[in-house]
Amino acid sequence: DAGVTQSPTHLIKTRGQQVTLRCSPKSGHDTVSWYQQALGQGPQFIFQYYEEEERQRGNFPDRFSGHQFPNYSSELNVNALLLGDSALYLCASSFDRLRSTDTQYFGPGTRLTVL
Amino acid sequence: AQKVTQAQTEISVVEKEDVTLDCVYETRDTTYYLFWYKQPPSGELVFLIRRNSFDEQNEISGRYSWNFQKSTSSFNFTITASQVVDSAVYFCALISVDSNYQLIWGAGTKLIIKP
Repeated sequence: DAGVTQSPTHLIKTRGQQVTLRCSPKSGHDTVSWYQQALGQGPQFIFQYYEEEERQRGNFPDRFSGHQFPNYSSELNVNALLLGDSALYLCASSFDRLRSTDTQYFGPGTRLTVL
Repeated sequence: AQKVTQAQTEISVVEKEDVTLDCVYETRDTTYYLFWYKQPPSGELVFLIRRNSFDEQNEISGRYSWNFQKSTSSFNFTITASQVVDSAVYFCALISVDSNYQLIWGAGTKLIIKP
């Protein structure tokens, strides 16, 4: 049973560029959440996708956008990259039974460095 | 307001010692869920346990045990006979209706096990 997978593992970009990160959820899961984790801090919620729609959003600017595909996989896009966007980006999947309080399982993350 | 406090920023012990990581939470909800995750240096958040607010039974899993006390709003985590492989950052988290089904994270406790 494959767990949550993310790609790429590492990424280096320069300021102003755009980046796309990808996530495949755990088998049987239909909900994907994205988090940003700066060095030495806890994860910060970016947004959550369910049924191909953004269901919830944290306190992140519109430069952060996403998408969920019919197979439940998801992408996180960040436009106009800033130095402060350098972080570990974590994807988590869960199964939405009734408004998901289910356990979120995390992928290995994508480490983004913005120069 | 929802809040999770992990007052211990960093703990360092010698291998084979027992160690307890503290977690105190705040919520107005009567139904909520508490989690512990482990984040080793590789970065992936590893799910350890989920506990709902109606189940106050302590849980033991091998060398790991959890003590949930609603009276003190605490959900502490103890590692018995610690090993070097237990070195990681440990996060406590809370989810509920009042958190709009978003995971509320503590700041994490960095655990260092010295050989």
